[in-house]
Amino acid sequence: NAGVTQTPKFRVLKTGQSMTLLCAQDMNHEYMYWYRQDPGMGLRLIHYSVGEGTTAKGEVPDGYNVSRLKKQNFLLGLESAAPSQTSVYFCASSVRGNGANVLTFGAGSRLTVL
Amino acid sequence: AQSVTQPDIHITVSEGASLELRCNYSYGATPYLFWYVQSPGQGLQLLLKYFSGDTLVQGIKGFEAEFKRSQSSFNLRKPSVHWSDAAEYFCAVGPGFGNEKLTFGTGTRLTIIP
Repeated sequence: NAGVTQTPKFRVLKTGQSMTLLCAQDMNHEYMYWYRQDPGMGLRLIHYSVGEGTTAKGEVPDGYNVSRLKKQNFLLGLESAAPSQTSVYFCASSVRGNGANVLTFGAGSRLTVL
Repeated sequence: AQSVTQPDIHITVSEGASLELRCNYSYGATPYLFWYVQSPGQGLQLLLKYFSGDTLVQGIKGFEAEFKRSQSSFNLRKPSVHWSDAAEYFCAVGPGFGNEKLTFGTGTRLTIIP
């Protein structure tokens, strides 16, 4: 039972490069989320999705784009990476309705932008 | 706006000693409260949650937390810590349902000494 799988686990980019982080879940969850984790700041929501084909902005969406073409996948894209986007990124998923705040997390993707 | 405060950035306890991690929240309605644990290099895992009912909730790994509405607190406790409890602990508050996001605290890092 894989749960939530993130790829890649590590990536180093140069300023201005683009990349995509992939999140896949096999629990048939409706909701999916992308968070970033920075020291002393906890987790901050970047974007989220309440279902296939829908996305919404979270607390810190600038510089990121997302897509949810399939229910099981949620992609996070950086079109032009900046050093401020150096962080650990976590994907999470949850059911709809009561209990939607109980999240299942992936293991994280560590991104360094030089 | 909802918020969560974890006043202790880092706590060190001896193995076998008792533990209490503090969490204070601000929320306009009845809160849904959570504790998540993040082991080194891993994603977050749900320890326990409070939705309603008994204000003392039991979680996994021998942890418990008590909801005190009058103090706006949801402190996490364990009577005797094990070396494997060394991790970062996050408190979170949310509406429990719908597509709203959780608000996470900034985390408390727990170190266990022999």
